[in-house]
Amino acid sequence: DAGVIQSPRHEVTEMGQEVTLRCKPISGHDYLFWYRQTMMRGLELLIYFNNNVPIDDSGMPEDRFSAKMPNASFSTLKIQPSEPRDSAVYFCASSLGTGELFFGEGSRLTVL
Amino acid sequence: QKEVEQNSGPLSVPEGAIASLNCTYSDRVSQSFFWYRQYSGKSPELIMSIYSNGDKEDGRFTAQLNKASQYVSLLIRDSQPSDSATYLCAVRNRDDKIIFGKGTRLHILP
Repeated sequence: DAGVIQSPRHEVTEMGQEVTLRCKPISGHDYLFWYRQTMMRGLELLIYFNNNVPIDDSGMPEDRFSAKMPNASFSTLKIQPSEPRDSAVYFCASSLGTGELFFGEGSRLTVL
Repeated sequence: QKEVEQNSGPLSVPEGAIASLNCTYSDRVSQSFFWYRQYSGKSPELIMSIYSNGDKEDGRFTAQLNKASQYVSLLIRDSQPSDSATYLCAVRNRDDKIIFGKGTRLHILP
């Protein structure tokens, strides 16, 4: 079975541009999490969904960040406008309700 | 107080010795506890989960949970150079929110 699939793997953009990160969870998983990882702050939870419904978005740093899950097989994390401090690796992870997370390979974002 | 705390390390352990990694958490009603391993440039991968007080063993790995002390640990026996990585402790609370510690860097000395 395919694991969690994220795209793009790498994104370099200029400050002020819109960035969209995509995630396809493992089929049948009912939880989807978005995390951001930096050296300084570690792995931070941004938002998570249960059965496509956002449960807690208190980790989203600002209104510039938004996330959607229109169906069970697709989620997006959007940053508009992007800033250099948004540079990080963004991970998507899915779970079957046990809390055992399966991570995608991550999207490395660089904002110049 | 941070929700999940770990010593950042690096923790250096000779090959063949026991590596001991520790984690404390602040939410007393947390329900599930996990250890993930992350190699440099890679994504985290689950190595152990533990849900009740006591020890849980899986091969060379043993997870220990003490809910009264809000403490979780991971022991790695017969440490190998391939165990060199960052180990992340994660805690799931009653709202299914999963919070990670910043991780402990482990270095196994050949």
